[in-house]
Amino acid sequence: EAGVTQSPTHLIKTRGQQVTLRCSPISGHTSVYWYQQALGLGLQFLLWYDEGEERNRGNFPPRFSGRQFPNYSSELNVNALELEDSALYLCASSTRTGAVIEQYFGPGTRLTVT
Amino acid sequence: GEDVEQSLFLSVREGDSSVINCTYTDSSSTYLYWYKQEPGAGLQLLTYIFSNMDMKQDQRLTVLLNKKDKHLSLRIADTQTGDSAIYFCAEMEYGNKLVFGAGTILRVKS
Repeated sequence: EAGVTQSPTHLIKTRGQQVTLRCSPISGHTSVYWYQQALGLGLQFLLWYDEGEERNRGNFPPRFSGRQFPNYSSELNVNALELEDSALYLCASSTRTGAVIEQYFGPGTRLTVT
Repeated sequence: GEDVEQSLFLSVREGDSSVINCTYTDSSSTYLYWYKQEPGAGLQLLTYIFSNMDMKQDQRLTVLLNKKDKHLSLRIADTQTGDSAIYFCAEMEYGNKLVFGAGTILRVKS
């Protein structure tokens, strides 16, 4: 079974630019999550999409946005990039086994903002 | 609450047991998770436990939960060099949000 895939692997952007990151969930998973792993800040929850709708949002400014498509893949968009947006962006997808939600992560997209 | 704390570094010899500790603050019933991250990779889900359980064993991994102290530990038996990685504990909060600790770097010496 293929895992969560993300593209691109690495990205270098200039401050003020916009970027789009992509994620494909595990087949059969309808929920997609985005997390930011920045140096010194650890892993921070960004967004949760399920069945095409945004279900929860972390403490990030509105220039972080995303969407989920009918095939459950997802995009994360970041506008007006700032230097502190440099981070590893991790996507996860989930299934529910009884009451537990298991989130499986992709390899991440490394974003560098210069 | 949203505070998950972990010890930052652990060094063990190959073949020994490793114990990685974590404390959490959410007082509601929840699931607690352990993830492993190898250099340059994403997070690998290792195991999880519900907050009303005391212990869960899964092959070389044992999770112990002290509910009173909100203390969670991950024991890795017969630690191998391939176990060298960063280990994160996390608790599930409202809205399917995982709140992670800062991670414990495990170094296994051969």
